[in-house]
Amino acid sequence: DVKVTQSSRYLVKRTGEKVFLECVQDMDHENMFWYRQDPGLGLRLIYFSYDVKMKEKGDIPEGYSVSREKKERFSLILESASTNQTSMYLCASRDNEQFFGPGTRLTVL
Amino acid sequence: DAKTTQPPSMDCAEGRAANLPCNHSTISGNEYVYWYRQIHSQGPQYIIHGLKNNETNEMASLIITEDRKSSTLILPHATLRDTAVYYCIVSSGGSNYKLTFGKGTLLTVNP
Repeated sequence: DVKVTQSSRYLVKRTGEKVFLECVQDMDHENMFWYRQDPGLGLRLIYFSYDVKMKEKGDIPEGYSVSREKKERFSLILESASTNQTSMYLCASRDNEQFFGPGTRLTVL
Repeated sequence: DAKTTQPPSMDCAEGRAANLPCNHSTISGNEYVYWYRQIHSQGPQYIIHGLKNNETNEMASLIITEDRKSSTLILPHATLRDTAVYYCIVSSGGSNYKLTFGKGTLLTVNP
């Protein structure tokens, strides 16, 4: 079974902190994705990567950056966390279909 | 990617078939229909996808109309654990592999 793991299920940070969300997949997929999910807004794509060191902006990249140094790992970075980045963050990797991680619920105080 | 329209909610009795509709009237020739579901507090889970032929797997069946403007996901014998939000997505599966999730249908399976 494909496994997509995320470093934390719950995270609490303060405004202005730098936040790293890590995602690892074990199926050698080339494509990886970061989404955020908010009530009433559904899943929105932040960034995706189709190869090591390659990245493309999704629909809402502002305030985020990403890093893909190894094929299995895709990191989402909040350079200076703000309260409006409080959300559920979901990582996915894809072959024919997308496999999602369990999500990280981030609260920024 | 083409837009999809789904009812916001549906109910189904346990043991009965659940039929979830989706309209995608602007679908283009190279776009697939994907279905995912999300159980509360979990990440979305892939169910099934198809291009123009009907598809079946161990979880569900996907019926796509001949003009491909709509489709129906069928859960043949719904259980309480099938209560979830079901998303219908169309995507070309091209080099960017993006999937755009709408608001989906909340299916509630009742005992």
